[in-house]
Amino acid sequence: EAQVTQNPRYLITVTGKKLTVTCSQNMNHEYMSWYRQDPGLGLRQIYYSMNVEVTDKGDVPEGYKVSRKEKRNFPLILESPSPNQTSLYFCASSPQGTMNTEAFFGQGTRLTVV
Amino acid sequence: AQKVTQAQTEISVVEKEDVTLDCVYETRDTTYYLFWYKQPPSGELVFLIRRNSFDEQNEISGRYSWNFQKSTSSFNFTITASQVVDSAVYFCALRDYKLSFGAGTTVTVRA
Repeated sequence: EAQVTQNPRYLITVTGKKLTVTCSQNMNHEYMSWYRQDPGLGLRQIYYSMNVEVTDKGDVPEGYKVSRKEKRNFPLILESPSPNQTSLYFCASSPQGTMNTEAFFGQGTRLTVV
Repeated sequence: AQKVTQAQTEISVVEKEDVTLDCVYETRDTTYYLFWYKQPPSGELVFLIRRNSFDEQNEISGRYSWNFQKSTSSFNFTITASQVVDSAVYFCALRDYKLSFGAGTTVTVRA
């Protein structure tokens, strides 16, 4: 089954404790991205990746890091989480070069930073 | 720069009423794609429809219909004869070199 898998689904952590949210897709998609969803703001892009070893900042990259060492994986790293990073996070993937294909989303990770 | 505006934050209707969700976008590109996604209370994002910038045909899928007007940069979404199961947050999205979303419209359908 074609899917994007995020882990964990729920996470409560303390300020400053490094964490990683994993994202994996099995569709051989080149393009992957991370979004955060906050009430009234919709989904805002954090980082995106056009292919392996190619990443770029989205609209709200501060406080986040990503890496793309393999095509299927695109982890989101919070080196020193802060309460303002409490949010619902989505990973997405889609084929690159074909804009007419919808993005496939993971089920979301609800992160709470206390 | 690109931008997607969903002016309606919340819409509440009684079952069987029609509801139209507005979406206005901005882009400098001549080739782009527009999407609608649904986010039910369970939280996942469900793809509903895509439309490319060269195809202004309206589309109907069951109780859902979409009206794309390039002249007004709008891609509106109508739910006909709404049902309680239509209660969700609906997002309009624009893709040229990246995928950008509007703020979403929360639709509540009351029985």
